[in-house]
Amino acid sequence: GQNIDQPTEMTATEGAIVQINCTYQTSGFNGLFWYQQHAGEAPTFLSYNVLDGLEEKGRFSSFLSRSKGYSYLLLKELQMKDSASYLCAVKDQAGTALIFGKGTTLSVSS
Amino acid sequence: DVKVTQSSRYLVKRTGEKVFLECVQDMDHENMFWYRQDPGLGLRLIYFSYDVKMKEKGDIPEGYSVSREKKERFSLILESASTNQTSMYLCASLRGGRSGEQFFGPGTRLTVL
Repeated sequence: GQNIDQPTEMTATEGAIVQINCTYQTSGFNGLFWYQQHAGEAPTFLSYNVLDGLEEKGRFSSFLSRSKGYSYLLLKELQMKDSASYLCAVKDQAGTALIFGKGTTLSVSS
Repeated sequence: DVKVTQSSRYLVKRTGEKVFLECVQDMDHENMFWYRQDPGLGLRLIYFSYDVKMKEKGDIPEGYSVSREKKERFSLILESASTNQTSMYLCASLRGGRSGEQFFGPGTRLTVL
């Protein structure tokens, strides 16, 4: 079956670094996405990995290991505005639809 | 900027009513999606469409239908609304190319009484 796991909640302090892990088991693989979703708002795209390795984009980086079915999102120099849910999603090879994990709610405190 | 719009941000309906949720995108995307999002369950795919008049069932299509008569518009229909369809409904549109990034609309919070 299709399964994407990520922690339910995480907490961190301003200025710190946090790593949000995601493991997946899907019938196919055509890329892994990370989205950010603030409360009451729509998800917004953060990153995309289809090959193994690290993709860096400013304070955010995303890593993928296809052989391990594993990804992480790394957030550096945390700010209060980073408090949000972070959604891991896999693009199934069978089509264009994304399979989403349940999301990780990150709370950043001062 | 890509824009995905949904007809309502908040909607309250009664059990048994027929409900239409409309989604419009302005980027000429072929693929459009309807998800529902519930606490503890995450985003779940209801239906998607990869072209005009084409549709595919997602993970939870029961109780829903869809319509795609024009490329820019994708409608979700609840034939007879029930209380367990109270949820946040999100429409998304897919850009092709390397990233295949989905763009989401603002969502419709539907309450069925």
